[in-house]
Formats: sequence, structure tokens, C-alpha cells
Amino acid sequence: AQTVTQSQPEMSVQEAETVTLSCTYDTSESDYYLFWYKQPPSRQMILVIRQEAYKQQNATENRFSVNFQKAAKSFSLKISDSQLGDAAMYFCAYRSGGAWAGANSKLTFGKGITLSVRP
Amino acid sequence: DADVTQTPRNRITKTGKRIMLECSQTKGHDRMYWYRQDPGLGLRLIYYSFDVKDINKGEISDGYSVSRQAQAKFSLSLESAIPNQTALYFCATSDLGPATDTQYFGPGTRLTVL
Repeated sequence: AQTVTQSQPEMSVQEAETVTLSCTYDTSESDYYLFWYKQPPSRQMILVIRQEAYKQQNATENRFSVNFQKAAKSFSLKISDSQLGDAAMYFCAYRSGGAWAGANSKLTFGKGITLSVRP
Repeated sequence: DADVTQTPRNRITKTGKRIMLECSQTKGHDRMYWYRQDPGLGLRLIYYSFDVKDINKGEISDGYSVSRQAQAKFSLSLESAIPNQTALYFCATSDLGPATDTQYFGPGTRLTVL
């Protein structure tokens, strides 16, 4: 079974600075997807960014980018120019399978990391 | 209006009571999921359904049951609630396609079992 590990329970960043959140995973598969979700105090789960394992290029969404190291099974999230609204819990998640995942579309989540942003 | 809605948003109940949490979606997705979130444990899958006639257990299905009444509706029941079922419950939906089968979450239901 796949596992997702977020070893840092909490992190803090100064407003306008850059922070990197770490995530590692364990799998024997070669085709899968990785996600970062954000959960603000409103508790809504919001998709931040996703990465297809077959793509070597790191995904980017505005101030959010990932460093995907497939061989190392590492998937870190970098937040640039941190804003107060970035304060939230962030979850890394893994999904088995390729584009047509069939029965493997379930997500496996890490335990999450709480990010605080200092003004 | 939100694409994925959950009712109720908050619920306090007593041990032994039957509770139903409801999820509705307007995204037209075939796949629906129920997760629970506990502090320090992340989200764990309870049940999932890939269409109206398909129901599958997740990793923590004991003590729960589900009903897929229609493509747009997926309900989670606690037949006899117990205190360790106190948690935040999320419904999610996704669609099978050539993209990423991304899951979209409802706003969550905070359930407290006394």
C-alpha cells in the first residue's frame, strides 16, 4: 500500500518570504498523481497544485510550485511571496494509476502540516 | 452555489444514536467519496462509489454505511454513533477522464458524539 509522509507538523514563514513544505511517499508504481491541498480555518479543502508522475517538468500555479523528485519519491511545495492568506494546513496526497485510473482513484493523504505566516 | 454541499455542517449527538450525513453535488461527477479527518491523522477514506450501483469500502469502513441514492447524492450513516466517531467528515467527487481525476471536496461536517 502507498504511504504519504509529512514529517514536519508545523512551519512558520515571514510574509513575502518563501517557504518549502516537504512530502515523501512510498510506492512501487510508476504511474501516479500527486496533489497538494490547502485547508484554511474555514476547513474547506482546496486543491493547490497537482503533478503527474510521468511529467518531468515541475508543476507551477502562480506563487505555488513543486519540486518533484521521482527517484527520491519526494514532492515538496514551494510558496513564494507568502501572504497572510496562505496560513492554513497543507496536505500532500497520492493517487494511484494513470489518466484512466479505474479502481485506483482513491487518494492517500499525509497527516498535514500547519503553516503560519508572520506579518 | 457550491458544487459540493454537505448537510448538516455541524452536529452534536449522543452515543447510540443513528446519524445520517448527506452530500449532494452539481458537478455531474460519477465518483463520490466519504473521508474523515482527525487531528494528526490527515484524511482517511471511509467509502467510495464510482456510480449509482457501485459501492466500495475504504480503509476505515467499520461502523459506517453508505447509500448512493442518485448520481448526485451520497449519504453516510452511523448506525449507532460512538464517541471515537467524533471527527470532521468530508464528501468529495471526481470524474473519470483523461485528465487527473481530481477530487473536489465539500465544506465538511463537524460531528461530535457525546
